[in-house]
Amino acid sequence: QVTLRESGPALVKPTQTLTLTCTFSGFSLSTSGMCVGWIRQPPGKALEWLARIDWDDDKYYSTSLKTRLTISKDTSKDQVVLTMTNMDPVDTATYYCARILGSELDYWGQGTLVTVSS
Amino acid sequence: SYELTQPLSVSVALGQTARITCGGNNIESKNVHWYQQKPGQAPVLVIYRDTNRPSGIPERFSGSNSGNTATLTISRAQAGDEAAYYCQVWAFSTVVFGGGTMLTVL
Repeated sequence: QVTLRESGPALVKPTQTLTLTCTFSGFSLSTSGMCVGWIRQPPGKALEWLARIDWDDDKYYSTSLKTRLTISKDTSKDQVVLTMTNMDPVDTATYYCARILGSELDYWGQGTLVTVSS
Repeated sequence: SYELTQPLSVSVALGQTARITCGGNNIESKNVHWYQQKPGQAPVLVIYRDTNRPSGIPERFSGSNSGNTATLTISRAQAGDEAAYYCQVWAFSTVVFGGGTMLTVL
């Protein structure tokens, strides 16, 4: 049974760095073809892709946000970490992690709401 | 960059067939995936690689992809199908989502 769970601060101040952790079970990021991605959704708006990390440590980032994002994995802990620098109120959103198999996101976490406010 | 275009909203009468489109340049050359998202919930994959249904997704959900348009078809629409639907592809080493379509079941 595949599960993913996002964790991190619910509130961050403008200019701070956000660190989110995705803890998963039911699969291994050491397995060929496995990937984990991050997606966010501002309140009432559409999904926006952020980053992806592959089993072989290849990394892909949103073109518009890549200067602010870093994705990494800890295979021994079954975790993927996303950092986003220089947070702004427009970054207020629900942040999801998801397993990516092939090119589809087949399992999603329940999401974590991050509010950026002073 | 690659863009996907979806209608903002689609309405369907209860029991009828809803079709949600996703437009993109030569989208038929890409694998298209579809997600259903109900209010307050995470998205759920309902169609992957154009036409395939994950286990647990009703046969009423089907997909097609031709030319510049991919289509999600929901037959015999039920009240529980009311949700936002997003198409998605992998293009230029990025995940691309459509803007989402809100399906209303009348």
